[in-house]
This record gives sequence, structure tokens and C-alpha cells, in this order.
Amino acid sequence: DTGVSQDPRHKITKRGQNVTFRCDPISEHNRLYWYRQTLGQGPEFLTYFQNEAQLEKSRLLSDRFSAERPKGSFSTLEIQRTEQGDSAMYLCASSFPRTADGYTFGSGTRLTVV
Amino acid sequence: AQSVTQLDSQVPVFEEAPVELRCNYSSSVSVYLFWYVQYPNQGLQLLLKYLSGSTLVKGINGFEAEFNKSQTSFHLRKPSVHISDTAEYFCAVSDSGGYQKVTFGTGTKLQVIP
Repeated sequence: DTGVSQDPRHKITKRGQNVTFRCDPISEHNRLYWYRQTLGQGPEFLTYFQNEAQLEKSRLLSDRFSAERPKGSFSTLEIQRTEQGDSAMYLCASSFPRTADGYTFGSGTRLTVV
Repeated sequence: AQSVTQLDSQVPVFEEAPVELRCNYSSSVSVYLFWYVQYPNQGLQLLLKYLSGSTLVKGINGFEAEFNKSQTSFHLRKPSVHISDTAEYFCAVSDSGGYQKVTFGTGTKLQVIP
């Protein structure tokens, strides 16, 4: 297994456009997490899945954000009508159900909204 | 809910000198504690974790951390740093039920000076 993969690595978009990011977790992991990281801050929780079920979504997440994990494997995170404040690194991580093993993170997708 | 405080945003240290990165947590329940490292433009990598048992835990790259329940701390230490240790370090916490998300601190940038 090559670890957690995220695509694309970088995305530049104009304000108002929609963007979609993909995450492929470690195949044995049934939990998948999305975090957002802005400059000088730690990762901020967005949402997570166990298999295909979305179990929790941050109250900070506006309605413009949506995530899916249709077959319990890869996941997509879509941001509609992007705003400059959405510029950040979007991190995906996967794990077994118990967090004791820690997360395995992907390299992230850096979004720049111009 | 749990929270983590990393008091030092930046720590400069000379090569081969010892270093301590401080972390304090807050929780009303028993916790798991983690340290992650992030190199530039990369995702986070697990350094070490405390689950239970011995309060001194050893991780990769010569790092260790000590869990102190009375002081609610989990400080990270290395006796002799190398240039390659220059990175950002994040302390993180989850409840020991293990089914909840991990909450990260704001990070400490370790700058190793040659």
C-alpha cells in the first residue's frame, strides 16, 4: 500500500468557481477524515466517514462544503462558490476505527482562491 | 470535548543542543495523546503516542515524550537535535474511548540553527 493519496496537490481557482478534491485512503482503513489547515494553524476538523457513512460534520463547515465516500473507499470534498477565505491546505487522513493507532495523512491539496 | 495548547509558536535551537516542545491538554475524560511532525509542503507524520502504561514514550527520530497527568502535560523532548529536525510539530489529543476525532494544537515550529 502506498499510503494516503490526495489529488490534486495544488489547485488555483477563481472566486466563485467550484472545486473538487479526491482522497484515496489506505485500503485497510475504514475511517477517513478531512481537515483544513491555514497558515500558522493546526489542522482543523471538517468531517469524517466510517465506511460510506458520514458520522460527523463540523459546525464550522458551511453549506458550500460537501463530502462523499460513496463506496467506502475513496472520498471527494467539493467546495461550491469558492471564496478567498477557503484558501488553505486540505488534508485527508485515514485510520482504523479506534484512534489509538493514530492517523495516516496524505500530503494534502493546497487550494488558492484568487 | 478536548483541547490542546502549545504555548511556543517557534523554538530556535542550535544543532546538537537539547530541545523541549511544550504541550498542555484539557479534558474531562481519559485521553490518548499524540505528537505529529510536518515537513514543508507535506502531510503530518506520527512521531509518537501515549495510550496507557509507562508515562515515558519513545518515538521515531530519537524523540520522546512524557505524560504528566497531574500537570496535564505531554512535552516532547530530544537530547540532541539535527538540522533535519527542522519542521513543525503538532500535539494532539483524543478521548481514550478511541472512537472520536483527534484535536490538534496550533503547532510549534522548530528551527535548528547550524
